[in-house]
Amino acid sequence: ETGVTQSPTHLIKTRGQQVTLRCSSQSGHNTVSWYQQALGQGPQFIFQYYREEENGRGNFPPRFSGLQFPNYSSELNVNALELDDSALYLCASSLRADRPEQYFGPGTRLTVT
Amino acid sequence: AQSVTQLGSHVSVSEGALVLLRCNYSSSVPPYLFWYVQYPNQGLQLLLKYTSAATLVKGINGFEAEFKKSETSFHLTKPSAHMSDAAEYFCAVSRGGGTSYGKLTFGQGTILTVHP
Repeated sequence: ETGVTQSPTHLIKTRGQQVTLRCSSQSGHNTVSWYQQALGQGPQFIFQYYREEENGRGNFPPRFSGLQFPNYSSELNVNALELDDSALYLCASSLRADRPEQYFGPGTRLTVT
Repeated sequence: AQSVTQLGSHVSVSEGALVLLRCNYSSSVPPYLFWYVQYPNQGLQLLLKYTSAATLVKGINGFEAEFKKSETSFHLTKPSAHMSDAAEYFCAVSRGGGTSYGKLTFGQGTILTVHP
C-alpha cells in the first residue's frame, strides 16, 4: 500500500511569484486536505477536496487555491507569494470525507525570499 | 468552534520514565480526537485516535490516551520512555458527523526530549 506522497520536497521562490505543490493520496483514499505549518506552530487547515470539489476551507485568502483530479491526486496553488507563506505544506488523505482519520505526507518545505 | 490547548511546549523525561503529554479541547459537538507525532523534517504520523468508542485508546509504539469528557481532556501517556520517542507531539480535534470531518484543529505542539 502506497502512502501519501508530495512533490517537490523543497523549493525556494521569490516574493510575488506563483507556486504549485503536488500530492498523491494514499491508495483507495478519495479525500485530500492541505495544511500549512509555520515554523514552531501546529498545522493550520487550508482546505479539503472530496470528489474533485472543495469541501471546506480554512481562514486563507483566495490566492490559495486547489484542484483534485479524477485519480484523487491534488494540487495546491499559491499566487502572489508573500514572505509569510514560507512554511511546511502538508497534504493528508482520508478514506472518505466521512472518515475522520487523516494520513499525512512528508510535506513540501517552501521558502519565500 | 473547536480548539486545542497543549499544556507545556517542552517536556523532558529520563529514559524509562513515564511520559505524560497534556491536551485539553473545546468543542461544541462530540469530538473526534487524535495524537500525531512529528520527527524532524518529516510529516505527521498518526499515533492514536478517539472516535466515540472506548475511552481508553491504545496506539502505536506503546502510547495510549484516555478521553475524559468531564475534564475535556485527552492526555497522552507511555509507561516507559525510549530515546526514539524524542519528537514533537500534536493533539488535534475534528468535529463528528456528516461530511465535515475535514478540518483538523491542532494544538501548538509539545516537544518531548528523552535523556539517557
